[in-house]
Amino acid sequence: AQSVTQLGSHVSVSEGALVLLRCNYSSSVPPYLFWYVQYPNQGLQLLLKYTSAATLVKGINGFEAEFKKSETSFHLTKPSAHMRDAAEYFCAVSDRGYSTLTFGKGTMLLVSP
Amino acid sequence: GAGVSQSPSNKVTEKGKDVELRCDPISGHTALYWYRQRLGQGLEFLIYFQGNSAPDKSGLPSDRFSAERTGESVSTLTIQRTQQEDSAVYLCASSEEGRGLAGGYEQYFGPGTRLTVT
Repeated sequence: AQSVTQLGSHVSVSEGALVLLRCNYSSSVPPYLFWYVQYPNQGLQLLLKYTSAATLVKGINGFEAEFKKSETSFHLTKPSAHMRDAAEYFCAVSDRGYSTLTFGKGTMLLVSP
Repeated sequence: GAGVSQSPSNKVTEKGKDVELRCDPISGHTALYWYRQRLGQGLEFLIYFQGNSAPDKSGLPSDRFSAERTGESVSTLTIQRTQQEDSAVYLCASSEEGRGLAGGYEQYFGPGTRLTVT
């Protein structure tokens, strides 16, 4: 069975600071990995996904994530936080059978001026 | 084009009543998923449709929950005899994933239906 662990239910950063949201997964097969963002009162939006091409994946809004098989991690980073990045971020995994996603519990990113 | 839509956006119901939640996926998307998001929790998978068939219903929490899809389009999630623990946001997603193909397709999510059982 797959599982996803997101360390930290809340992460606070100052505007302009580095954003690091952690995600570790377990999967019996090489997985597909995703980061979704949920802005207040909106649906989930895909930020980026890993599907076994390059291990460093670039997404929208300046976010990127690196797949590290040895660490079973897929941490999300952004060099400089903006106020508009304040949202909840979800890491998700699917195996190669079909696309049903297993989600982590989410990390709320708080950005202060 | 239009995204995934869900209705109603909010539903308040009394314990013991039945509710129906509707999802209109993106036109042409063969795969459709229902998830549940309870307060402070991640999303829980409920059911997956490929066309009008549901090859994976493993996430439905009890026999009070059922879902159907018709015309390879609209889907309805029905909860019978609602309980307070059913209170959650119910999210629908669709993707282009085709029968027999591997995963990794982006899922497009609707805005959700917030269900409150009093």
